[in-house]
Amino acid sequence: GDSVTQMEGPVTLSEEAFLTINCTYTATGYPSLFWYVQYPGEGLQLLLKATKADDKGSNKGFEATYRKETTSFHLEKGSVQVSDSAVYFCALSYSGNTPLVFGKGTRLSVIA
Amino acid sequence: GAVVSQHPSWVICKSGTSVKIECRSLDFQATTMFWYRQFPKQSLMLMATSNEGSKATYEQGVEKDKFLINHASLTLSTLTVTSAHPEDSSFYICSARHGDRAVGYTFGSGTRLTVV
Repeated sequence: GDSVTQMEGPVTLSEEAFLTINCTYTATGYPSLFWYVQYPGEGLQLLLKATKADDKGSNKGFEATYRKETTSFHLEKGSVQVSDSAVYFCALSYSGNTPLVFGKGTRLSVIA
Repeated sequence: GAVVSQHPSWVICKSGTSVKIECRSLDFQATTMFWYRQFPKQSLMLMATSNEGSKATYEQGVEKDKFLINHASLTLSTLTVTSAHPEDSSFYICSARHGDRAVGYTFGSGTRLTVV
């Protein structure tokens, strides 16, 4: 079945450091790919998405490119802030009323 | 737009009692809602898919008699944890898929259930 694998955390970075969170997927079809962020005690918020190969999703300084050849969707940010501390989930889905398939999440802590 | 309101945000109940969690789509019609469970520092585990006007589809290993899901209208789905036990303590999150593909999935803010 379909699955998402993302790098184990936690990741601890200093403010203004470069962030990369790796995500790879296994899929039988051509899914859309997502990054969600979860702040403590809250639900999930969509951070960015890409619906087809070579698409780049971007939001709030984060970006990720849908790489079909490497089945990857790595999340990057050039300069993290303390407020970026959260858990980040990579996910995939197909069209129609199918649920999201999530990776295990990566906890990011940014220290001043 | 595309807001899903989930209540309560937290609840403490005694063992053996039942707890109902509501999810409402405030500004769109959600024909399908998804219910997830999240253990501390872990990912979201899909429990069931709730379709308006029909029975929910449960994932393997999820007890349908314990986790009752009702989706009686296009804007409301409920999850009732029956005869709750401490091992049911968890964070429960609902999600709905908006008909506009550009909007995609919207999540409720989650319910922290503690069974004592």
